[in-house]
Amino acid sequence: DTGVSQDPRHKITKRGQNVTFRCDPISEHNRLYWYRQTLGQGPEFLTYFQNEAQLEKSRLLSDRFSAERPKGSFSTLEIQRTEQGDSAMYLCASSATGGSRRHRFSSYNEQFFGPGTRLTVL
Amino acid sequence: EDQVTQSPEALRLQEGESSSLNCSYTVSGLRGLFWYRQDPGKGPEFLFTLYSAGEEKEKERLKATLTKKESFLHITAPKPEDSATYLCAVQANTGFQKLVFGTGTRLLVSP
Repeated sequence: DTGVSQDPRHKITKRGQNVTFRCDPISEHNRLYWYRQTLGQGPEFLTYFQNEAQLEKSRLLSDRFSAERPKGSFSTLEIQRTEQGDSAMYLCASSATGGSRRHRFSSYNEQFFGPGTRLTVL
Repeated sequence: EDQVTQSPEALRLQEGESSSLNCSYTVSGLRGLFWYRQDPGKGPEFLFTLYSAGEEKEKERLKATLTKKESFLHITAPKPEDSATYLCAVQANTGFQKLVFGTGTRLLVSP
């Protein structure tokens, strides 16, 4: 059983370019979350999916950001027209809903994070 | 607005020197309080969830406790491998799933 995986691990881009990140959650987890973390700060919530439905969006998620989870499995986060202020670590997490049978990554409600994608915008 | 404040910002301990990290929170209604460990350049690693005042959980040298206003992470006889940033987060019982994090405590344990 593997944990949350993210790809790529690092991305360097020029200002104005579009970038896309991918997240594969823990199998059997139907909830998926995106957070952003800058140096010296805790993660900040961006958006949340339950299955394929996007149920919560932070006001931090400007119209340049879009997230999808088309089949309720992996998710993508796209940033259009990147700005230097977008430089950060983008973290994905997943969790189970109540009633999921226990395994080493379950336990209702706990969010398990991936390794993150480090974005640098030049 | 839900808020989490962690103190101290940084803590330096000698190996074996026990101490506590503090997490103060304000939340409309607490669904859960979470502790994570984060190593440099990596994602947060889940440690504990606490749901109600008076609850305690332990894992190796770590023990987390919860009151109605704050949580403590007690580290007993720490080792250098315990060096990391420890993050605290709260989840409100408003139906939203998001975690609200503090800025963390950077712990350095010297041999």
